[in-house]
Amino acid sequence: EILMTQSPATLSVSPGERVTLSCEASQSVSKNFAWYQQKPGQAPRLLIYAASTRATGIPARFSGSGSGTEFTLTVSSLQSEDSAVYYCQQYDNWPRTFGQGTKLEIE
Amino acid sequence: EVQLVESGGGLVKPGGSLRLSCAASGFDFKIYTMNWVRQAPGKGLEWVSSIINNGLYLYYADSVKGRFTISRDNAENSLFLRMNSLRGEDTAIYYCARGVYDKNGYKGDAYDIWGRGTAVTVSS
Repeated sequence: EILMTQSPATLSVSPGERVTLSCEASQSVSKNFAWYQQKPGQAPRLLIYAASTRATGIPARFSGSGSGTEFTLTVSSLQSEDSAVYYCQQYDNWPRTFGQGTKLEIE
Repeated sequence: EVQLVESGGGLVKPGGSLRLSCAASGFDFKIYTMNWVRQAPGKGLEWVSSIINNGLYLYYADSVKGRFTISRDNAENSLFLRMNSLRGEDTAIYYCARGVYDKNGYKGDAYDIWGRGTAVTVSS
């Protein structure tokens, strides 16, 4: 099973700032990698797939990069509605696995 | 509107069974890989099971293998999860999710459409 490790666990940032979230896979997943956003009481929302492709309707301030074992999600110019938990996921191997999540708080 | 709606959750005793359903609408259901993902209270996301569009290939997390069965009815645009021998650790919100298949022909197990989930509680 591929272990996905996200860092940091929690992040507190001011509106308008730029933030980078990280995810490391225990072995290469090529670019078969996704980022999700989940707000309390809601289902997750796909942000990025194929490591760097924005999903339909996702604002351009969200961008993804990386391949192999190291991935990042950058949110430029943070807005209050970006407060959420962010999960990474690999879909290169079975079982599909998620990271433990990064909680992003907007100050 | 593209939509997934889960049903069938509830309270069940340990060792009991439930059958979850997911009704799909607004898209060509039969060409998509469909999936179940769960989230225990206060915890992260856990992939449970996937079924490829033709229904011939089924995949399960080790934690549910031998107890859960995924199936689909492409004529009825429906996805199912039969859950037997339920345990306390199966308590979670169960989400139905669609694998991405974008306009450029990219197909992968990133989940672009999610239902609102159905809650399963296993307790005596």
